[in-house]
Amino acid sequence: DSGVTQTPKHLITATGQRVTLRCSPRSGDLSVYWYQQSLDQGLQFLIQYYNGEERAKGNILERFSAQQFPDLHSELNLSSLELGDSALYFCASSVERGGSYNEQFFGPGTRLTVL
Amino acid sequence: AQSVTQLGSHVSVSEGALVLLRCNYSSSVPPYLFWYVQYPNQGLQLLLKYTSAATLVKGINGFEAEFKKSETSFHLTKPSAHMSDAAEYFCAVRKSGGSNYKLTFGKGTLLTVNP
Repeated sequence: DSGVTQTPKHLITATGQRVTLRCSPRSGDLSVYWYQQSLDQGLQFLIQYYNGEERAKGNILERFSAQQFPDLHSELNLSSLELGDSALYFCASSVERGGSYNEQFFGPGTRLTVL
Repeated sequence: AQSVTQLGSHVSVSEGALVLLRCNYSSSVPPYLFWYVQYPNQGLQLLLKYTSAATLVKGINGFEAEFKKSETSFHLTKPSAHMSDAAEYFCAVRKSGGSNYKLTFGKGTLLTVNP
């Protein structure tokens, strides 16, 4: 158990819908990362938040957005869903002590199926 | 930009045989390198990491990897495979400096261990 929790574990929805994925980082970790794992694209970085602020963006679609709340949990919002958005979405957290190596701990993932 | 290439999407070995999973990286700055393992329906677990200290890195479950700058490689090895090693393995790279600690992953190698 990494200490990172993600809910829900599974999500099945229809095209055009909107869903919210939730992540709670390990206690004390300030940084949250979101990754998408799909069969065709592999594991891709989507976005990073640090202590409530967006720090880096990767291959995140405009239909997707995220935020990190004052209690440090994060939500990934996916809207106007398409079949191709079906994937496993991982959240990872790290403590982010400046200048040194910071291990990312991964949650169990949310499997999204768009029908 | 950084990238990772994992040679062989599927490797099959017999129980007790040597495991060798190949990873080559491309990075314009000194990188940190990682191997993660993903068991079915689970998240990613860190096996080992290279963060510019010793070039031969030992990880969990008897795995080790050697950083070879001249070959831009970070191959994962284990002397004797066990049935429980069957999983998917991901090599990842990250910049050693800056504030964006996103991981760039390879496509993964599925390891099968035959009895």
